[in-house]
Amino acid sequence: AQTVTQSQPEMSVQEAETVTLSCTYDTSESDYYLFWYKQPPSRQMILVIRQEAYKQQNATENRFSVNFQKAAKSFSLKISDSQLGDAAMYFCAYREGGAGGTSYGKLTFGQGTILTVHP
Amino acid sequence: DAGITQSPRHKVTETGTPVTLRCHQTENHRYMYWYRQDPGHGLRLIHYSYGVKDTDKGEVSDGYSVSRSKTEDFLLTLESATSSQTSVYFCAISATMERAQPQHFGDGTRLSIL
Repeated sequence: AQTVTQSQPEMSVQEAETVTLSCTYDTSESDYYLFWYKQPPSRQMILVIRQEAYKQQNATENRFSVNFQKAAKSFSLKISDSQLGDAAMYFCAYREGGAGGTSYGKLTFGQGTILTVHP
Repeated sequence: DAGITQSPRHKVTETGTPVTLRCHQTENHRYMYWYRQDPGHGLRLIHYSYGVKDTDKGEVSDGYSVSRSKTEDFLLTLESATSSQTSVYFCAISATMERAQPQHFGDGTRLSIL
């Protein structure tokens, strides 16, 4: 079974600074997808960024970017120019690839990292 | 925002009582999922559905059952609630397994079992 590990239960950053959240995963598959979700205190689950394993180029969405190291099975999230609104719980998630098969898009989540942003 | 409604948003009940949580979607998506969120565990999959009347177990399915009689509704039932099932429950939907299609989540149901 796939596992996802977020080894940092809590992280903090100063406003306008950069912070990196770590995520590692274990899989024997070669085709898969990785996601970062943000959960603010409102409890909503908000997609931040996604990465397709077959793509070597790291995904970027505005101030959010990933460092995807497939061989090392690492998928870290970098937040640049941190803002107060970035304060939230962040979850890394894994999904098997392929349009068919029996995975049915099931997500495996890490334990989460609570990010605090100091003004 | 994806049209997903979870009901109720909050519920407090007693051990041994049956509980049903409802997830309703207006997106006509094929795939639906139930997760529970607990501190230190992230979200864990309880059950999922890949079509009307097509459901299967997830990682933590013991004590839960599901039903999907219509595309838009996915029900999660705790036949006899226990305190260990106190949690926040999320429903999610997905249109397709193509590429990196993400799951979209409802706002969650906080369930407390006393």
